[in-house]
Amino acid sequence: DTAVSQTPKYLVTQMGNDKSIKCEQNLGHDTMYWYKQDSKKFLKIMFSYNNKELIINETVPNRFSPKSPDKAHLNLHINSLELGDSAVYFCASSQSRARRDEQFFGPGTRLTVL
Amino acid sequence: AQRVTQPEKLLSVFKGAPVELKCNYSYSGSPELFWYVQYSRQRLQLLLRHISRESIKGFTADLNKGETSFHLKKPFAQEEDSAMYYCAPPSYNTDKLIFGTGTRLQVFP
Repeated sequence: DTAVSQTPKYLVTQMGNDKSIKCEQNLGHDTMYWYKQDSKKFLKIMFSYNNKELIINETVPNRFSPKSPDKAHLNLHINSLELGDSAVYFCASSQSRARRDEQFFGPGTRLTVL
Repeated sequence: AQRVTQPEKLLSVFKGAPVELKCNYSYSGSPELFWYVQYSRQRLQLLLRHISRESIKGFTADLNKGETSFHLKKPFAQEEDSAMYYCAPPSYNTDKLIFGTGTRLQVFP
């Protein structure tokens, strides 16, 4: 029973393409997140949703658009992919938006833009 | 802007040696500090949190408000401790955590 799952695990695509990464959590959590981990292993938050409402939107190009159809899903759509978008993208969830809540991470999606 | 500093990118020790992974942060207003760990080929997961004052897998972390530090310590490192460790204090004005740059711990046999 995977708590936080992401698909696909690997994504290789050409510059300029549009791609989506899906995330689902079966923990009944209210809050979900997208993080980007670059080649130096820096981990930065991109977005956070609480009960389908966007609550954190970091300085991310508007080519990145998150969508939360329900509180168990948070998808990430990326338009016009660029070389610098190559990274590992992690989805996470927590019981609530409170900072004290543990975040549960997905396995990551390794995106390679050629 | 808030900063989280993990000064060592890589820390290599031999099995049985003491380990200290350093973390300094720029905002001291909240005790909600965390250490997350990522073992090879596994997902990032919570190791311990300050508010619980717990010891997990032999690791402890002491909050020093004066120095704004939250260093992670273990008296005797094991090979299975080899992983990437992230310190994560909260942002002072939003709900987000700020992850440090990470320290890779390598424990040699």
